[in-house]
Amino acid sequence: RKEVEQDPGPFNVPEGATVAFNCTYSNSASQSFFWYRQDCRKEPKLLMSVYSSGNEDGRFTAQLNRASQYISLLIRDSKLSDSATYLCVVTANDYKLSFGAGTTVTVRA
Amino acid sequence: NAGVTQTPKFQVLKTGQSMTLQCAQDMNHEYMSWYRQDPGMGLRLIHYSVGAGITDQGEVPNGYNVSRSTTEDFPLRLLSAAPSQTSVYFCASSSFPPGQGRTGSYGYTFGSGTRLTVV
Repeated sequence: RKEVEQDPGPFNVPEGATVAFNCTYSNSASQSFFWYRQDCRKEPKLLMSVYSSGNEDGRFTAQLNRASQYISLLIRDSKLSDSATYLCVVTANDYKLSFGAGTTVTVRA
Repeated sequence: NAGVTQTPKFQVLKTGQSMTLQCAQDMNHEYMSWYRQDPGMGLRLIHYSVGAGITDQGEVPNGYNVSRSTTEDFPLRLLSAAPSQTSVYFCASSSFPPGQGRTGSYGYTFGSGTRLTVV
């Protein structure tokens, strides 16, 4: 079983829509959680950390459910520029991050 | 301030050849890592370093060597290239331990990647 699993999508949404997707992880000892964004054929970039109480960064909201071992990302008022692959990242220690294969979001005009 | 610089951007190797992928950062980051990314799979950690002179193995270290003689440089050596090593390789650096979700942490800064094909 993969340590981090994501629905690959793609999620095709119109501009202005809300899109949400989850990521499940298998290691119950995981301590830190992140969402990275990766544009086509580019390097990943940190989108946001995910805190236990949930957190928002502008149009992006991340939630953590430790009991069910998943994290979620919700994007409100989608923009064309939100089209990307979103990587779920989980770690049980400071140095060895586990990346999911990514969820692709395509926002159409 | 160039960030993380990887060279080359593209490389084709024949099976059995060796080569070194270069990675340099100018942000004085202590923490550096090498990942490979294959279709349908997440990034997988090859080796990482927590400072000059200190390296450790990641998830998929076989066939690769690293060294960290300076804070700035973290080269990845392929000892004898195999077709299974065809992949996109990313180098990353961080000022904090990358697994710590500190407020204001920028997480990893990744290089732009090296696309390696082994034939």
